[in-house]
Amino acid sequence: AQTVTQSQPEMSVQEAETVTLSCTYDTSENNYYLFWYKQPPSRQMILVIRQEAYKQQNATENRFSVNFQKAAKSFSLKISDSQLGDTAMYFCAFMKHRYSGNTPLVFGKGTRLSVIA
Amino acid sequence: NAGVTQTPKFQVLKTGQSMTLQCAQDMNHEYMSWYRQDPGMGLRLIHYSVGAGITDQGEVPNGYNVSRSTTEDFPLRLLSAAPSQTSVYFCASSLRQAEKLFFGSGTQLSVL
Repeated sequence: AQTVTQSQPEMSVQEAETVTLSCTYDTSENNYYLFWYKQPPSRQMILVIRQEAYKQQNATENRFSVNFQKAAKSFSLKISDSQLGDTAMYFCAFMKHRYSGNTPLVFGKGTRLSVIA
Repeated sequence: NAGVTQTPKFQVLKTGQSMTLQCAQDMNHEYMSWYRQDPGMGLRLIHYSVGAGITDQGEVPNGYNVSRSTTEDFPLRLLSAAPSQTSVYFCASSLRQAEKLFFGSGTQLSVL
């Protein structure tokens, strides 16, 4: 079974600074997808970024970027120029490629990020 | 375009009561799923469906039933509520697996 580990239960960062959230995963698959989701206090789940394992280029979305290290099974999220609105729980998630069968999304336990003014 | 609609937003049950959490999506998504979120546990998959008439168990299926008679609806039934089922429940859907998941706004359930 696939597992996703987020080793940092809580983190904080000063506004405008950069912060990196860690995520590691365990799988024997070669093709899969990785995601970061954000959950602000409103409780809404919001997709931040998505990475396909067969793509070597790291995904980026504005101030959010990932460092995908396939051999190390590591998928960290970097938030640049942190803003107060980035305060949220961040979840890393893993999904096998659909050709591997019916494969649901597996989440880590989350990292609570606080951006301090 | 309503997206994923979950009802109710809040519910209080007594132990032993049954209820159904409703989930509907209007995006013609194949894939629908139910998660529960507990403090320090992240989101854990209860049941999921890859299309009408097809359902499968997730990580924590005990005490819950689902059915998928239409593409749009994926209700979650609690047959006999227990305090251990106190949680926040999320329904989510995507066009296909591995695509972006769209989440409902969640249901806060308390079982006394």
